[in-house]
Amino acid sequence: GAVVSQHPSWVICKSGTSVKIECRSLDFQATTMFWYRQFPKQSLMLMATSNEGSKATYEQGVEKDKFLINHASLTLSTLTVTSAHPEDSSFYICSALSSGENQPQHFGDGTRLSIL
Amino acid sequence: GQQVMQIPQYQHVQEGEDFTTYCNSSTTLSNIQWYKQRPGGHPVFLIQLVKSGEVKKQKRLTFQFGEAKKNSSLHITATQTTDVGTYFCAVPLRGSTLGRLYFGRGTQLTVWP
Repeated sequence: GAVVSQHPSWVICKSGTSVKIECRSLDFQATTMFWYRQFPKQSLMLMATSNEGSKATYEQGVEKDKFLINHASLTLSTLTVTSAHPEDSSFYICSALSSGENQPQHFGDGTRLSIL
Repeated sequence: GQQVMQIPQYQHVQEGEDFTTYCNSSTTLSNIQWYKQRPGGHPVFLIQLVKSGEVKKQKRLTFQFGEAKKNSSLHITATQTTDVGTYFCAVPLRGSTLGRLYFGRGTQLTVWP
């Protein structure tokens, strides 16, 4: 149980393109999902908290107009990197939190984004 | 400032040797979680520690939470090549609700056969 699917797994596109990444909880409902960014050989950095039916909460230093988050249902959150540039190239990972106290986060497989 | 310090950053061991990674915080933690990320993969939840002085075991892995709830360790006995990966501790962001986590920098474990 507790499977999170993230799509696509790999994206290569030109500078200026907007890229949408999907995160789905397959066998449970997730009122809260998280989006992380990970540079090579570095730790995960929380970008934003995605809440179903409400606006996302962004961490300090993360541009909300650059990284658009939509959490339209209890099983789907999307991250859109708008007008991507080479410095946006990174590994983006989502996680979903199942209900209940002290529940772990379940991570998707991640999306490797390369902007040329 | 940094929520938690994790050391060492890298550890290279021969198969059969033991391995330990440590996480230390300057403030008392409500809980600490441990994750493993294989090369090219995503983090996988290993365990959560909540109680002061808690010790939990998963086969060859032993997790400890300090009495003051400011530090934690993960110890692997007799490492195997399948243990290769980066081990992260994660703690709740200060003042946080709803599961927002701060991940330590991780310890990258390499196991030589």
